[in-house]
Amino acid sequence: GDSVTQMEGPVTLSEEAFLTINCTYTATGYPSLFWYVQYPGEGLQLLLKATKADDKGSNKGFEATYRKETTSFHLEKGSVQVSDSAVYFCALILNRDDKIIFGKGTRLHILP
Amino acid sequence: DVKVTQSSRYLVKRTGEKVFLECVQDMDHENMFWYRQDPGLGLRLIYFSYDVKMKEKGDIPEGYSVSREKKERFSLILESASTNQTSMYLCASSLGAGGPFSQPQHFGDGTRLSIL
Repeated sequence: GDSVTQMEGPVTLSEEAFLTINCTYTATGYPSLFWYVQYPGEGLQLLLKATKADDKGSNKGFEATYRKETTSFHLEKGSVQVSDSAVYFCALILNRDDKIIFGKGTRLHILP
Repeated sequence: DVKVTQSSRYLVKRTGEKVFLECVQDMDHENMFWYRQDPGLGLRLIYFSYDVKMKEKGDIPEGYSVSREKKERFSLILESASTNQTSMYLCASSLGAGGPFSQPQHFGDGTRLSIL
């Protein structure tokens, strides 16, 4: 069935390090892909999105490129800050089936 | 900015009680959703609504019901609370264009519910 797989956390990095959080998906058809972020004590916020192959979503220094050939949507940031500590969720939407599928989330800790 | 407000941040109830979780959004969104979030399981959809008085089951509706009498308000009801319903509950809303799941969802800050 359709699914989203994220790398397991927690991921711990030092400030200014390069970040990659892997996300791969399984879906028939052409989903839209999203990254959401959940800061401590808050709900999820949309971070970025891409709706078709080769689209690049970007926001707050984060980027992710929709790779249809590898069915991936990896999240990257060149230099992380302590304030980026949060849980990150990859998600896809399949309009055809009217559902959204979330990954299980990856907790990120950034050390000063 | 869209504001999704959940009535309580923390709630403690007893087994067998009827529990109401309230959610209000201020952006005239057609769609509203209730999820529960558990460690290691991510988000799971309980119910959603695409219009006033309309509701659809999500992936885990058992033990829950919902009510949407006004467009801006979506209530989750635990008919007879049980300890396995202890969880973080998240409400979300989205615009209606293109179907219930075609637009990004905006989330509230969550209600952490403990059933003793």
